[in-house]
Formats: sequence, C-alpha cells, structure tokens
Amino acid sequence: DGGITQSPKYLFRKEGQNVTLSCEQNLNHDAMYWYRQDPGQGLRLIYYSQIVNDFQKGDIAEGYSVSREKKESFPLTVTSAQKNPTAFYLCASSADETGELFFGEGSRLTVL
Amino acid sequence: KNQVEQSPQSLIILEGKNCTLQCNYTVSPFSNLRWYKQDTGRGPVSLTIMTFSENTKSNGRYTATLDADTKQSSLHITASQLSDSASYICVVSEGMRFGAGTRLTVKP
Repeated sequence: DGGITQSPKYLFRKEGQNVTLSCEQNLNHDAMYWYRQDPGQGLRLIYYSQIVNDFQKGDIAEGYSVSREKKESFPLTVTSAQKNPTAFYLCASSADETGELFFGEGSRLTVL
Repeated sequence: KNQVEQSPQSLIILEGKNCTLQCNYTVSPFSNLRWYKQDTGRGPVSLTIMTFSENTKSNGRYTATLDADTKQSSLHITASQLSDSASYICVVSEGMRFGAGTRLTVKP
C-alpha cells in the first residue's frame, strides 16, 4: 500500500544528544514536509522540500536539520541546539505545494 | 497580510447533534481551500477541497461550503458521532501551513 512511514514511533533522548527521525514515502510525491506539534497547538512547519536535493526552512527551523538525497526519503535531525525538543513530529508529502498533504503516523520525542 | 481565522476555537456538542465550524480567510491569491480532520495523536487527513467555482461539497456527513466573495467557508457536520471528536483545520491556497483549527468534542 502507498503511504508514508515514520520511525521510530516513540523516542527518548538525553539532553545534548542529536537524534534523527526517519520519513519514507512510496507515493512518488515530489514535496515533503516536517512539522512539530505541541500539546493543544497547531502544526508548525520546520522544513520542507519541493524536489530532491533541495529544501527550505519553515517557520521554526532553528535547531533542526534535514536532507533530501532521495525522492522517497526526508530525514529530520533534532540537534542539541534545539532547546525544547520534546514534541510530536509529523512528516507529510504532497504531489505539489498546493496539493493535499498525506501524513505519517508521527514520532513522539521525549527528552529526559 | 494573509490570514486564516477559525471559529469557534473549541466546541462541545452531544452525540447526534449537528454543528457548523467557520473559516474566514484573507489569503490572496486564492487557489483552493481544504478542510482537514486531525484525531488526537494522529496526522491530519483531508476531508474536502473547495476550488473557486465550487459552493458546496459533501463527504458523507461532512458538508463544506465556500463563499469566495466574502472569503468564508464553513464545515457542517450532521448527526455527530463520538468519532467526530477531533480538531478541524482549514488550509487555504498555500497548502503547507496549518492553524490550530477548531477542537470539537462530541459527548454521549
């Protein structure tokens, strides 16, 4: 079945450690996105990529990094520079930037 | 400034009742408007898409309306069910930015 797979679903990290969240899609979509969601809040855009080997900062990119070496994959690294990384992270993809977004199941990161 | 405002912020209704959620926007240019449903702990899922020429579109018990002149959209939910408890988010044109939406709670 076509879809978006995020892993891991739950992740615990010690302060000062970098962690990478995986996002893979088999929908053949050009555009991919990363969002952060805090309790009771809306989704905030971290990074997005409209095509392979290109990505743009979203509204809250500080402390995060991404890569887009393959069309199917858009991993997100939460670096130690992110001061408050505990959150729910969602990856999405779309055929183009005005199309419907399809989301993964999310990754919940907790910093201990 | 491009803005999307949804009301109410939260809503509690009894199972079986109808409700209407509102979305006002000032986004220009307008290409389309989507309503998404987000269950707690899940990613949003698209319910409907409205283009400039469409006034009404239904998806089961969900009916979306669009008035492009007044820049208003509404999402009407008929005969609510407990599973309708979720956040409903209106996304206009630039499809990648999501607001907090309206938090709907359906009680038995």
